[in-house]
Amino acid sequence: ELKVEQNPLFLSMQEGKNYTIYCNYSTTSDRLYWYRQDPGKSLESLFVLLSNGAVKQEGRLMASLDTKARLSTLHITAAVHDLSATYFCAVDGASGTYKYIFGTGTRLKVLA
Amino acid sequence: DAGVTQSPTHLIKTRGQHVTLRCSPISGHKSVSWYQQVLGQGPQFIFQYYEKEERGRGNFPDRFSARQFPNYSSELNVNALLLGDSALYLCASSWSPTGELFFGEGSRLTVL
Repeated sequence: ELKVEQNPLFLSMQEGKNYTIYCNYSTTSDRLYWYRQDPGKSLESLFVLLSNGAVKQEGRLMASLDTKARLSTLHITAAVHDLSATYFCAVDGASGTYKYIFGTGTRLKVLA
Repeated sequence: DAGVTQSPTHLIKTRGQHVTLRCSPISGHKSVSWYQQVLGQGPQFIFQYYEKEERGRGNFPDRFSARQFPNYSSELNVNALLLGDSALYLCASSWSPTGELFFGEGSRLTVL
């Protein structure tokens, strides 16, 4: 069964610092998604990574995908307080199952 | 353009009762998926429907059922509610069964 693991689970960082969130998954998949969730809110799509080596950037966030290593990273550059949220990665299930498997989430708190 | 809309946004039920949650997809989207998110965890896949047919089912008991209507809206039904069914229920729509998911704001169910 496909499993998706994120680390760290909790991350407290100072404004202006850089950090990386890691997402590992257990079986082959060519599509990976990153979402942001604010407390009590729904999921906001951040990035869609569709192929090996894909890299996408939006503001202070950059996501990459290595399908051979079954690893995606979400890099935060010069963090600001507004980035405080929970970040989830999700991977398409095996062919034909039509479902996303979500990671455990990384709760990020950026301290002013 | 309207996004995915869900109703009700919040509801409180007691053990043993039944609940119906509703979802309207983004205009033009023909696939609807349902996810359960327990506090502090990532969303878990419950169902996917496409063109009114069930295309995928997660590891949930038969108390959970769903359907999709000709206008592509969907209902999630849960019978004989348990305390453990308390969660945020997220509906997501997509253009196709394997397309990117767009999530609604969710229905927060509390079972007492």
